[in-house]
Amino acid sequence: QSALTQPPSASGSPGQSVTISCTGTSSDVGGYKYVSWYQQHPGKAPKLMIYEVSKRPSGVPDRFSGSKSGNTASLTVSGLQAEDEADYYCSSHAVTISAYVIFGGGTKLTVL
Amino acid sequence: QLQLQESGPGLVKPSETLSLTCSVSGGSISSSSYYWAWIRQPPGKGLEWIGSIGSMYYSGKIYYRPSLKSRVTISVDTSKNQFSLKLTSVTAADTAVYYCTREEESRSSYWGQGTLVTVSS
Repeated sequence: QSALTQPPSASGSPGQSVTISCTGTSSDVGGYKYVSWYQQHPGKAPKLMIYEVSKRPSGVPDRFSGSKSGNTASLTVSGLQAEDEADYYCSSHAVTISAYVIFGGGTKLTVL
Repeated sequence: QLQLQESGPGLVKPSETLSLTCSVSGGSISSSSYYWAWIRQPPGKGLEWIGSIGSMYYSGKIYYRPSLKSRVTISVDTSKNQFSLKLTSVTAADTAVYYCTREEESRSSYWGQGTLVTVSS
């Protein structure tokens, strides 16, 4: 079960928008609506930012948005702020012989 | 507010069994319609889902990461409101921060703070 493919790094200046991609297959990202995104600051547990492709949990700013096209999901952070600098991971429901959850390799977002 | 807390040895010898427990507070592990999961993160690397176990609502159904299935056991102790992870025949590659989470529809909304387990002699 290879990890979903994410770019290792992304960056943007304060106020700008940045999009992070997450590419899988029809057995995971492309086949199900259960794609999530997590934010992780150094030394902290991950925090759920997006679920079911584009839904935001209560308390997550609407600057964070998600979408999916085919086997690729995307996370867009608009109006970048310094506190958005973190690692971001996508995940997806996956099914081969049985069901499981697969994560992407992570993207380090730098706010310039 | 739901809280999860991992506990267990921070050092395990190669070839031995890693055992961790997750204590859940602020909610019943048995009465809710959720899965309870373990996720790990090797130092400096990404997240890796290990497996999850369903509440009684899901008849305790268990799912494991295919590549770890032969070495992993996840169980629930409803009397203690805890769930556990056992990973056998560990090697240095199993060194990681281990997180327990509450999972629903393949997303983890609540996470423990994580516990570092080092495999070394």
